[in-house]
Amino acid sequence: QQQVKQSPQSLIVQKGGISIINCAYENTAFDYFPWYQQFPGKGPALLIAIRPDVSEKKEGRFTISFNKSAKQFSLHIMDSQPGDSATYFCAASITGGGNKLTFGTGTQLKVEL
Amino acid sequence: GAVVSQHPSRVICKSGTSVKIECRSLDFQATTMFWYRQFPKQSLMLMATSNEGSKATYEQGVEKDKFLINHASLTLSTLTVTSAHPEDSSFYICSARWGQSYTFGSGTRLTVV
Repeated sequence: QQQVKQSPQSLIVQKGGISIINCAYENTAFDYFPWYQQFPGKGPALLIAIRPDVSEKKEGRFTISFNKSAKQFSLHIMDSQPGDSATYFCAASITGGGNKLTFGTGTQLKVEL
Repeated sequence: GAVVSQHPSRVICKSGTSVKIECRSLDFQATTMFWYRQFPKQSLMLMATSNEGSKATYEQGVEKDKFLINHASLTLSTLTVTSAHPEDSSFYICSARWGQSYTFGSGTRLTVV
């Protein structure tokens, strides 16, 4: 019930295209859903996060769409650039529930010229 | 913003020796820090939750005596890999909760030879 499923495992997008990564969760107690970007040999960096009281959040080229009834959320990267090539992780946590983050399995994104 | 500093970034040690990894919150106090392990092309696996002034909480399957965690102050947590073996070679990452989000260190690449 703590699992967060992420797809696809890898993704190739042309420069300027839209990258879409999806996550699904089971535990309805989750109330914080962040997305992290990780470059090789580095720690994850927070990209954007959402709470279940909103259905969408946008920051620059990054947008989270959240569907509470379907227990799904997704990351959209608009105008994808080669510099966006990295591994992306979705995650979820419960406020006050030991504050542990449960991570998805990750998506390797490659943006080609 | 919140910064977590992790040292060293890379370490090579001989089998049977111990290695200490430090995780510092630079501009905030972290009562709770988290230690993760990450294998190549895989997600982050939570090893333990480090609580300032008390014993760490280890995840199931993580050897407490091999991975010693100390959180002696509100800005410092350490992970000591004791009697290291080649199978302990991995990427270790610390994290701290800051407000509603989680900030990660840059990771430590441990190679045991």
